[in-house]
Amino acid sequence: KAGVTQTPRYLIKTRGQQVTLSCSPISGHRSVSWYQQTPGQGLQFLFEYFSETQRNKGNFPGRFSGRQFSNSRSEMNVSTLELGDSALYLCASSLDGAANTEAFFGQGTRLTVV
Amino acid sequence: GNSVTQMEGPVTLSEEAFLTINCTYTATGYPSLFWYVQYPGEGLQLLLKATKADDKGSNKGFEATYRKETTSFHLEKGSVQVSDSAVYFCALSPSGGNNRLAFGKGNQVVVIP
Repeated sequence: KAGVTQTPRYLIKTRGQQVTLSCSPISGHRSVSWYQQTPGQGLQFLFEYFSETQRNKGNFPGRFSGRQFSNSRSEMNVSTLELGDSALYLCASSLDGAANTEAFFGQGTRLTVV
Repeated sequence: GNSVTQMEGPVTLSEEAFLTINCTYTATGYPSLFWYVQYPGEGLQLLLKATKADDKGSNKGFEATYRKETTSFHLEKGSVQVSDSAVYFCALSPSGGNNRLAFGKGNQVVVIP
């Protein structure tokens, strides 16, 4: 079956701009989580969506937002980009986020802010 | 808060050597514990997991035991191969599920033929 698909794979933006990243989960999966990966901070949890509702949220400023559609596809948006937002953004999908299911990660979107 | 600590620095070892990567955690309640592996240019793949104390997760020759008394989840493999070269992340889920993961910094493992 198809895996988790993230688009685009690479993105270059200018400071102050905004960006939207997309994540298509595995068919049937309703939980989508987003993570930011940087060399300095490592992997940090951004937020999780389940059945179109934000269920969990990490410690990121309000410039980072997301949403989930009825087909479980999710988008995350970063407004007023800063140089420090340059990172690999990963999404993970699972059936429902429960312990007895597995989270599958996409290959990520590499965002560079210049 | 919830956090995961992995030993500092890359790990370089010869093929067929024994691998240990230390992982300790801080969490309230009863978290689930995970090891993920990341190969170059790819996303994370679940290697193994344990959902309660004394559980042992195992996969592809790797093992880790959930030790509540020492708050540890060390990863071990008896005989590594060149194909095991990757970055390994220890993680926990405070809610016990597989979402809202808190990750360690990761360890680069390089296996030399």
